[in-house]
Amino acid sequence: GENVEQHPSTLSVQEGDSAVIKCTYSDSASNYFPWYKQELGKRPQLIIDIRSNVGEKKDQRIAVTLNKTAKHFSLHITETQPEDSAVYFCAASRRGGSQGNLIFGKGTKLSVKP
Amino acid sequence: GAGVSQSPSNKVTEKGKDVELRCDPISGHTALYWYRQSLGQGLEFLIYFQGNSAPDKSGLPSDRFSAERTGGSVSTLTIQRTQQEDSAVYLCASSLGPTNTEAFFGQGTRLTVV
Repeated sequence: GENVEQHPSTLSVQEGDSAVIKCTYSDSASNYFPWYKQELGKRPQLIIDIRSNVGEKKDQRIAVTLNKTAKHFSLHITETQPEDSAVYFCAASRRGGSQGNLIFGKGTKLSVKP
Repeated sequence: GAGVSQSPSNKVTEKGKDVELRCDPISGHTALYWYRQSLGQGLEFLIYFQGNSAPDKSGLPSDRFSAERTGGSVSTLTIQRTQQEDSAVYLCASSLGPTNTEAFFGQGTRLTVV
């Protein structure tokens, strides 16, 4: 069935370095790709999303790139700060389906060391 | 406006008791999801509603789990004869519909079975 693979499961970087999290998806009809950040003890919240009509989107220190041919998309965080430490989830849309229209990856725990 | 609201925020129950968790989605959101998140783990999909209908209940962990949604709005997740392995945070999310839009999460219900 359709699924979203997310790597790595854990990532540790030094403050100021960049962090990259990658996801691949299987449904070629997917056209919406959101990223969620979940801080410890809090709910997941959308930080950035991209639709299939663009290849890249930026918002300050975060950016997402999409390669539809290869069916993968990535989250890039530059100049990481300790407050970026959290679990990040990618997701991909699909057309309806019995499990809804968003499929989530398993998450990446990012630790930014001061 | 109000976001997704879940109640209770915390629930401690004795093994063998039944519990009911409630989710109030954002008004007008037709899609509603339930997820389970164990400590430090990813989002385990439980069930999805489009309107009042849940096409696929196979994500529910056992027949002790059931969910319903009435009036296309409030949803309840019921766990009968709770077990210690049911201890987790139960997250609800809603989105506008079957098209590609952001899912908004509630703050979750932390369930502890003692």
